[in-house]
Amino acid sequence: DAGITQSPRHKVTETGTPVTLRCHQTENHRYMYWYRQDPGHGLRLIHYSYGVKDTDKGEVSDGYSVSRSKTEDFLLTLESATSSQTSVYFCAISETIREQFFGPGTRLTVL
Amino acid sequence: GIQVEQSPPDLILQEGANSTLRCNFSDSVNNLQWFHQNPWGQLINLFYIPSGTKQNGRLSATTVATERYSLLYISSSQTTDSGVYFCAVGPLTGANNLFFGTGTRLTVIP
Repeated sequence: DAGITQSPRHKVTETGTPVTLRCHQTENHRYMYWYRQDPGHGLRLIHYSYGVKDTDKGEVSDGYSVSRSKTEDFLLTLESATSSQTSVYFCAISETIREQFFGPGTRLTVL
Repeated sequence: GIQVEQSPPDLILQEGANSTLRCNFSDSVNNLQWFHQNPWGQLINLFYIPSGTKQNGRLSATTVATERYSLLYISSSQTTDSGVYFCAVGPLTGANNLFFGTGTRLTVIP
């Protein structure tokens, strides 16, 4: 299995609070991604990174920001959490624009 | 983005039965992956198969890129095969994104 960890694995927070999710990889892969999974939608891309300090938006990026200061870490920040951001968040990595491998996920509940 | 349709949405099998899951996509792709999401939520890579045929034990997959579909075959199903199977595709150009279908939920009963 690809070495990907996500923290925290579960989080409950209140509307309006900032939240940061962390993805850490030990594979030295160039690309990293954040997806969210919601019922009836499969997984959808939020943001991705193609190198240190190089990031771009995905299809559902509103309300989220990301940072990548080291190859191994990719952070997803919800500046002011809303109930619509209650979801399961998955991080993924890939060495090339080919096969992606997913982390274990973070379940976020915004009350 | 690319539209991905999976069928059937739900499937119930008796242990030992065979099944075929289908994935149709709306545009040319350079990436196609099949995943199994187990009951604990983990996404497990089954196949990376933008074209051709691959086999791994009781599972096999075929992608016909020119006709924009892929098939996942599960033979001699086991209860541990239960879960949701996702097809995901990546576009030829633009962002290195995977577009997911909504999955096929498989339940294997003993």
